[in-house]
Amino acid sequence: EAQVTQNPRYLITVTGKKLTVTCSQNMNHEYMSWYRQDPGLGLRQIYYSMNVEVTDKGDVPEGYKVSRKEKRNFPLILESPSPNQTSLYFCASSGGGSSYEQYFGPGTRLTVT
Amino acid sequence: GENVEQHPSTLSVQEGDSAVIKCTYSDSASNYFPWYKQELGKRPQLIIDIRSNVGEKKDQRIAVTLNKTAKHFSLHITETQPEDSAVYFCAANGNQFYFGTGTSLTVIP
Repeated sequence: EAQVTQNPRYLITVTGKKLTVTCSQNMNHEYMSWYRQDPGLGLRQIYYSMNVEVTDKGDVPEGYKVSRKEKRNFPLILESPSPNQTSLYFCASSGGGSSYEQYFGPGTRLTVT
Repeated sequence: GENVEQHPSTLSVQEGDSAVIKCTYSDSASNYFPWYKQELGKRPQLIIDIRSNVGEKKDQRIAVTLNKTAKHFSLHITETQPEDSAVYFCAANGNQFYFGTGTSLTVIP
């Protein structure tokens, strides 16, 4: 089954404790992306990757890191989480090139206290 | 960068009526305009999309129109049903995706 998976689905952590949210897709997609969703603000792109070892900042990259060592995986790293990073996070992938349709993961709800 | 504005933020319609949601964008380089439906607690799902070389696209009860000159695009849902109730997001894409802030649609039976 073609899908995007994220782990964990729910996470409560404390300020400053490094965490990683994993994202994996099995569709051989080139383009992968991370978003955060906050009430009233819609989805905002954090980082995106157009292929292996190619990553670019989105609209709200501060406080986040990503890596794309393999085509299927695109982890989101919060080195020192803060309460303003409490949000719902979605990973998404698309074929790249002229194939724009994005497939979203199930979401990760992060709470930083 | 791109700026996508979406209106209205909330919309209530009677079952069977039509619903229209409008978005504007600022970057003329944007060339792909998807619409997503997000039900409560679920992930966004693509319902229809349009590319900049097309003015209109229809899929059953859903249609999207694009006016490149005016930089706006609209989602039209006809014969609305209660299961259409959800939050709808527009987006514009060049290399990055920029989303509107969402429209909460309620279809009243």
